[in-house]
Parts: sequence; C-alpha cells; structure tokens
Amino acid sequence: GAGVSQSPRYKVAKRGQDVALRCDPISGHVSLFWYQQALGQGPEFLTYFQNEAQLDKSGLPSDRFFAERPEGSVSTLKIQRTQQEDSAVYLCASSLSAASTDTQYFGPGTRLTVL
Amino acid sequence: AQSVAQPEDQVNVAEGNPLTVKCTYSVSGNPYLFWYVQYPNRGLQFLLKYITGDNLVKGSYGFEAEFNKSQTSFHLKKPSALVSDSALYFCAVRGAYSSASKIIFGSGTRLSIRP
Repeated sequence: GAGVSQSPRYKVAKRGQDVALRCDPISGHVSLFWYQQALGQGPEFLTYFQNEAQLDKSGLPSDRFFAERPEGSVSTLKIQRTQQEDSAVYLCASSLSAASTDTQYFGPGTRLTVL
Repeated sequence: AQSVAQPEDQVNVAEGNPLTVKCTYSVSGNPYLFWYVQYPNRGLQFLLKYITGDNLVKGSYGFEAEFNKSQTSFHLKKPSALVSDSALYFCAVRGAYSSASKIIFGSGTRLSIRP
C-alpha cells in the first residue's frame, strides 16, 4: 500500500518568503507528526496531531511556524518569513493510533533551502 | 527528561563480519525503543522496536537488537554485514508515561560496510 508522501521534495526559498509543505499520511492513520532534521543530526520533534486536533506543538521553534490538519488527513506545515536557519529537511510521519507503542512511518521529507 | 545517546558517529565493518551499532537511553518509567535506517535522500525506514517481552528483538533485513535494562542500552546487531547495509542508523526512545508525541532520536551512526 501507499506510504507517507510529502511534497514538494525540494524547495528553495528566498529569505523572507513564506513556504508551505504538504504531508499525505497513510490512509486511516490517526496520528501525524512533523520533525525537523538538520544536516548531520537526528530528527527533532516539531508538532503532533491526533486526527484534526493539534495536541502538541511544543517543538515549533517560533511563531513563524504553523501546522494544520483540518480534516484529520492531509497536513500542511507553513513557515512564514523564512530565515536561513530554517534550512533543513522536514519529515512527516504517521502512526495508526494514538498509542505510545505504535510505530511511526516516515515520508521521504522535504528539503528546504533558504537563500 | 528523555534522551538517547549514540556514542559512535561512524562504524566501519568488513562485509561478512558481525556489526554492532550502540545506543543508550534515559527515560522515566519503562522505555519504548526503536531503530530506524535512513538512506541518502530518503526518509527514515523502521527496522524494529522493543515494547515489552523478550529482550532480543528481531527486525527487518536480518537486524536484531538487544534490550538491556541494567545497562540502559539497546544495541543494534547483525551477524553478517552486507555492503547494502551502509546507511545512517537512528535509535529512538519514548517513555511509557510520556505523551504519544514525545519520541526522541539519537544523533545517528553512519554505518559503512566495505567489500
């Protein structure tokens, strides 16, 4: 079956531009996660949705970052007024339920480069 | 606070030899432990997880990991390495009493298998 998909795969933005990154989770998955992965580092948690509810946004680095999942399926991560330090790979993951034991399945990521 | 340590940035092994990628963790309560692999320009692929039960967990591609509670370790192992195992490996932990969102990744270990 289809896995998690993300688009675009690559995004180049000029500093100050707004960007929107899309995640299509595995069909029927309740939980959706966004991570930021800097070069040479492990993924760092940004935010978590259970269905359409954003239950944890403690990892969002600033108020320029905003995420939504209005119908409990597709999610969008928006970054306003991008800065060079926002350059990273943004990973989306989904899991079947809200259980802590569930495996998270990751998409291929969006590589964001801010010039 | 939860944390994961992967003490080796890089592990080099000859093809056909056994390999070990080390991981230690710190978490309140019982840990849920995961291993993921990342190939270039790809997202993270799930290898295996420990939730409860047998300390030796078997996963994809012939990998296994041993949970050691007294040493707070969850080392990844494979009896005979393949060149195709060369990739970046991440250990991750979530505490049983933490919220569903809080999964913490290590900084990664690059595994290089020489022919």
